[in-house]
Amino acid sequence: DQQVKQNSPSLSVQEGRISILNCDYTNSMFDYFLWYKKYPAEGPTFLISISSIKDKNEDGRFTVFLNKSAKHLSLHIVPSQPGDSAVYFCAARGFGNEKLTFGTGTRLTIIP
Amino acid sequence: KAGVTQTPRYLIKTRGQQVTLSCSPISGHRSVSWYQQTPGQGLQFLFEYFSETQRNKGNFPGRFSGRQFSNSRSEMNVSTLELGDSALYLCASSSQGAVNTEAFFGQGTRLTVV
Repeated sequence: DQQVKQNSPSLSVQEGRISILNCDYTNSMFDYFLWYKKYPAEGPTFLISISSIKDKNEDGRFTVFLNKSAKHLSLHIVPSQPGDSAVYFCAARGFGNEKLTFGTGTRLTIIP
Repeated sequence: KAGVTQTPRYLIKTRGQQVTLSCSPISGHRSVSWYQQTPGQGLQFLFEYFSETQRNKGNFPGRFSGRQFSNSRSEMNVSTLELGDSALYLCASSSQGAVNTEAFFGQGTRLTVV
């Protein structure tokens, strides 16, 4: 049972445009959500997170939106840069629980 | 501040052998979690340790075990290795200082079972 889903395995975006990565979850007990960026053979790098009490969080070029009623979150990257090309994972966690449940990832390719 | 350090980075073992992987968390972090990444299954949670106690466990067989020391360093052990255990093993640490804290990952240990 895939509790966190990233339905787009890949996404290509032109440099300078907006990249939108989507994530859906089914477990209503999740209350903290994170996005990680990963290069091959390396560990995931934390990008941005959001608590369930918020619907938006911004950090520089990265903004995460959370729609609790739809159990959907998205990561916006603007403007997209070639260095953003990587696999992006969304992850979710329940209250007081360190266990992260990951989506299957979306490979983002930024086209120069 | 040094990040999460995992050793070794690469390992080749034979079926039936056992292996021990090591993880040093970020200084001050008391929670250490382990994940397995394979192409087919993605990132799967193995277990989490906090103050030398296993607090949470994923759905892996008993061949997978771990421990945490008083300095928060953690080890993961896999016994009777199988070909399917070939994966990238990732360790993450978090501070547990607040309710919502981020987990920071190490570079991982690439285990190949032949």
